[in-house]
Amino acid sequence: DIQMTQSPSSLSASVGDRVTITCQASQDISNYLNWYQQKPGKAPKLLIYDASNLETGVPSRFSGSGSGTDFTFTISSLQPEDIATYYCQQYDNLPMYTFGQGTKLEIK
Amino acid sequence: QVQLQESGPGLVKPSQTLSLTCTVSGGSISSGSYYWSWIRQPAGKGLEWIGRIYTSGSTNYNPSLKSRVTISVDTSKNQFSLKLSSVTAADTAVYYCARDRITGTTHWFDPWGQGTLVTVSS
Repeated sequence: DIQMTQSPSSLSASVGDRVTITCQASQDISNYLNWYQQKPGKAPKLLIYDASNLETGVPSRFSGSGSGTDFTFTISSLQPEDIATYYCQQYDNLPMYTFGQGTKLEIK
Repeated sequence: QVQLQESGPGLVKPSQTLSLTCTVSGGSISSGSYYWSWIRQPAGKGLEWIGRIYTSGSTNYNPSLKSRVTISVDTSKNQFSLKLSSVTAADTAVYYCARDRITGTTHWFDPWGQGTLVTVSS
């Protein structure tokens, strides 16, 4: 099975800060990676697909990059409404999907 | 716009079978080339994919749960269901149903149900 390791597991930042989360796959997954945002009590919401493509309607302050085993998710200027837990998810090893353990983002 | 809603008992006794149903509204479960998935999330923890079903009835399961999981579809009711047998406290979680969208080589989950909490306790 492919393991997805996110870091950090939690992060505290100020409004306006640039925030970066990393996700490492245990083997090469090309660009078959999604990023989701999950707010408390809600289902996850897709933000980024194919590692770097922004889902329609998602603000441009969100971005993703990477391929192979190392991926990065960035919020260019943190807003209060971005407080959530963020998950990466691989879809290379079909039909098995795996998620990272999540990164909880809080406002400092 | 397609919407999903989970339903089923919120409390299941240990060793019994957890049964949940996901009702699809706003579109036919049979239209398009979609898989329909179940995903769970223990309190304060991450997401775990349980398995999926195609409208033809073809299924795929997470190997770690495969021996205990059955996913089925009822196209006449626009529903798909999850059965998880021999449950323990470790199966306590919020259970989500989601549409597994596929375009070319891209896969993603959208939309999701709101989730339903299932507690395993005597």
